[in-house]
Amino acid sequence: DGGITQSPKYLFRKEGQNVTLSCEQNLNHDAMYWYRQDPGQGLRLIYYSQIVNDFQKGDIAEGYSVSREKKESFPLTVTSAQKNPTAFYLCASIPSTTGAGYGYTFGSGTRLTVV
Amino acid sequence: ILNVEQSPQSLHVQEGDSTNFTCSFPSSNFYALHWYRWETAKSPEALFVMTLNGDEKKKGRISATLNTKEGYSYLYIKGSQPEDSATYLCAFFWDSNYQLIWGAGTKLIIKP
Repeated sequence: DGGITQSPKYLFRKEGQNVTLSCEQNLNHDAMYWYRQDPGQGLRLIYYSQIVNDFQKGDIAEGYSVSREKKESFPLTVTSAQKNPTAFYLCASIPSTTGAGYGYTFGSGTRLTVV
Repeated sequence: ILNVEQSPQSLHVQEGDSTNFTCSFPSSNFYALHWYRWETAKSPEALFVMTLNGDEKKKGRISATLNTKEGYSYLYIKGSQPEDSATYLCAFFWDSNYQLIWGAGTKLIIKP
């Protein structure tokens, strides 16, 4: 079955450490997104990519980096510059870059905790 | 600042009862309104994508309406069942941007 796979499910980061969250899709979708969820808040966009080798900052990109070397993969690195990284991270995709009419497909998320 | 408001924040409903909740969004530059269901330990799942004022969509016991002129959408659940327990998210697509603006969700708990 097609879908989005996020790994790991749980991740613990030490202070000053960079960590990378994986997001892989086999849906042949063009556009991919990274969201962060904090308690009591709506999903906030970190980065998105509409095409291979191109990506755009979202509302809260500081302290994060991404790459899109392959259509099916959109990893997110949480760098040591991100001062409050403890959150739940969701990856999503849609078939086309003209996205208003498509429902998003989501992965099951990664919970990142700073220890 | 664009904002999407969902109310109530949480809701306890007796099994078998019907319920509804609200998503409010800016009424200008409207492109689409999305509804998602997010069950615990699962991925959010798209329920409806609505693009036209007056749209009404239905999926089983769940339906949604859209009023783009006044900036609100209602989600209705008829005859609630335990499997309806989830957080229901709405998201607003404005202008030709590729970004959705998300509400914080309504957490629905069905009491047997």
